[in-house]
Amino acid sequence: QKEVEQDPGPLSVPEGAIVSLNCTYSNSAFQYFMWYRQYSRKGPELLMYTYSSGNKEDGRFTAQVDKSSKYISLFIRDSQPSDSATYLCAMKGFVLEKLTFGTGTRLTIIP
Amino acid sequence: EAGVTQSPTHLIKTRGQQVTLRCSPISGHTSVYWYQQALGLGLQFLLWYDEGEERNRGNFPPRFSGRQFPNYSSELNVNALELEDSALYLCASSFPSAGQHNTEAFFGQGTRLTVV
Repeated sequence: QKEVEQDPGPLSVPEGAIVSLNCTYSNSAFQYFMWYRQYSRKGPELLMYTYSSGNKEDGRFTAQVDKSSKYISLFIRDSQPSDSATYLCAMKGFVLEKLTFGTGTRLTIIP
Repeated sequence: EAGVTQSPTHLIKTRGQQVTLRCSPISGHTSVYWYQQALGLGLQFLLWYDEGEERNRGNFPPRFSGRQFPNYSSELNVNALELEDSALYLCASSFPSAGQHNTEAFFGQGTRLTVV
């Protein structure tokens, strides 16, 4: 079993829809949770960063962490064609500083 | 403020050659991570450096090595290049986690290595 599981998609939704992206993990030592967006042939761009459990909102993006369920989510409201990219979740702990990534979900927003 | 910078951006090497990739972290960051992203695959962890020391390495052969300098910049060296080493090599930097909460990691744009 992988430490971090992420549905690879691909996921296609119409413009304006709400997108939900999710990751589950098995290691309870993870404390820091990140979401990255990666356009084709580019480096990952940090979107959201959350420490421990809770919600965090930034514009159209909301990150949720439920440590009791070992489940994290990224919601994108009013999705735009420019949101089309691969979304990667990543996490690390106080001691497990190595960033552990999900495999990424490829998202396409259809105009 | 400058982000993580990597050089070169693109590189073509012949099988059997050696290559050195470079990474400059964000100012103040002491941790540097190296990842390999081969076409169609996820990010594979290579190496993690902090305060000049190798803290962890992924499941890669010893011909993948690196170091971190006193200014926290880092090099990744790959010896005896093989065709399957062709990939995007990504560097990320962050503050160390111990005692801090602002430890998000930021990536550079990567070095695209092609081995022919």
